[in-house]
Amino acid sequence: QSALTQPPSVSGFPGQSVAISCTGTSSDIGSYNRVSWYQQSPGTAPKLMIYEVINRPSGVPDRFSGSKSDNTASLTISGLQAEDEADYYCSSYTTSSTWVFGGGTKLTVL
Amino acid sequence: QVQLVESGGGVVQPGGSLRLSCGASGFTFSSYAMHWVRQAPGKGLEWVSLIEYDGGNKYYADSVKGRFTISRDNSKNAVYLQMSSLRVEDTAVYYCAKHRSGTWSFDYCGQGALVTVSS
Repeated sequence: QSALTQPPSVSGFPGQSVAISCTGTSSDIGSYNRVSWYQQSPGTAPKLMIYEVINRPSGVPDRFSGSKSDNTASLTISGLQAEDEADYYCSSYTTSSTWVFGGGTKLTVL
Repeated sequence: QVQLVESGGGVVQPGGSLRLSCGASGFTFSSYAMHWVRQAPGKGLEWVSLIEYDGGNKYYADSVKGRFTISRDNSKNAVYLQMSSLRVEDTAVYYCAKHRSGTWSFDYCGQGALVTVSS
């Protein structure tokens, strides 16, 4: 159950778009469309932003979008806002009937 | 609204045991699977365990298998994590989380319980 691979950090100016990648294997991301993305601000619990690769829970702005190709999923945030600054984690269901997270990506809004 | 409240955290010596509890309200608890997820200080999230809505099936991360046991009491709207043979590397904030029905994600977390394993 190796962790999924995310870049440690990304940054962008307000109004710009940023993408966060999440690379797994054929035993997790590559096997299912069961990728989720969570946002976590310091000292708070994780918040679900995207589920099943592309779906947004109600209340999540449509500036957040997800995609997947082969063993890599991506979260794109368009029209960056200061409030988007947080840590982002991807997660995937695996062929072992478990879940695995990425190491997390710190988003800085410049 | 959905509320999840963890309790039972604390300081324990290596090799010791601890039981975490999570009380749920604001939803039909007996209809939902529940997760435990942890986060070591300054580190990322790690999935720990899941129990199905009726307790029929339980799943564990390799890192805790054989040492941790998840259970639930639907009459009390509570889920538990019994942790034994604790190691220093089990030190973390432990979150209980409600599984999002029909998907492969969780949609609500509690604020977490800190478990510190130290001599």
